[in-house]
Amino acid sequence: DAKTTQPNSMESNEEEPVHLPCNHSTISGTDYIHWYRQLPSQGPEYVIHGLTSNVNNRMASLAIAEDRKSSTLILHRATLRDAAVYYCILSVYSGAGSYQLTFGKGTKLSVIP
Amino acid sequence: NAGVTQTPKFQVLKTGQSMTLQCAQDMNHEYMSWYRQDPGMGLRLIHYSVGAGITDQGEVPNGYNVSRSTTEDFPLRLLSAAPSQTSVYFCASRKGAGGTTSGELFFGEGSRLTVL
Repeated sequence: DAKTTQPNSMESNEEEPVHLPCNHSTISGTDYIHWYRQLPSQGPEYVIHGLTSNVNNRMASLAIAEDRKSSTLILHRATLRDAAVYYCILSVYSGAGSYQLTFGKGTKLSVIP
Repeated sequence: NAGVTQTPKFQVLKTGQSMTLQCAQDMNHEYMSWYRQDPGMGLRLIHYSVGAGITDQGEVPNGYNVSRSTTEDFPLRLLSAAPSQTSVYFCASRKGAGGTTSGELFFGEGSRLTVL
């Protein structure tokens, strides 16, 4: 199974950028890199995903290394509402044309006022 | 739109009892799935469905049954609850059933189950 490695926890000051790293050295050519986050007592929510090129959306940016063995989720200005567990996930083909997401333990981000 | 709705939000069972966790989505999504989350852990996939009438096992399927008779609903059944099934259960759906660009997963708010 394709696995990801993330730090258990990180801290950031409010209104500063945050770079959340993820290693995925066994990624295959067709695996997409997904990021989700989970706020306390809520279900996970989608943040961003990509394959090879860097991606931007209203929530964050995703920087993917050229060899695709690592990626970084960038929150441009952390707010207190960004305090959550962030999951870096590879989509894994499970047959019948379906891809599954396998969640690891993620990185718990704390934002300091 | 209501999105993904799970019921009940909380449930306490005794060992050996059976129950069904309900999941409904109003987005006409093909793909639906069930995850469980234990304290301090990530989510583990229990079962998933790529369309009505089609289901398959995930990482931890033992002790759980599913069926998909309609696009909207994907209930999770515990036939004989065990303390090891104490967990928070999340239902999720997405538009595409397959392909790497099948889009984001939408999650429900979770159902917290305690088995005594």
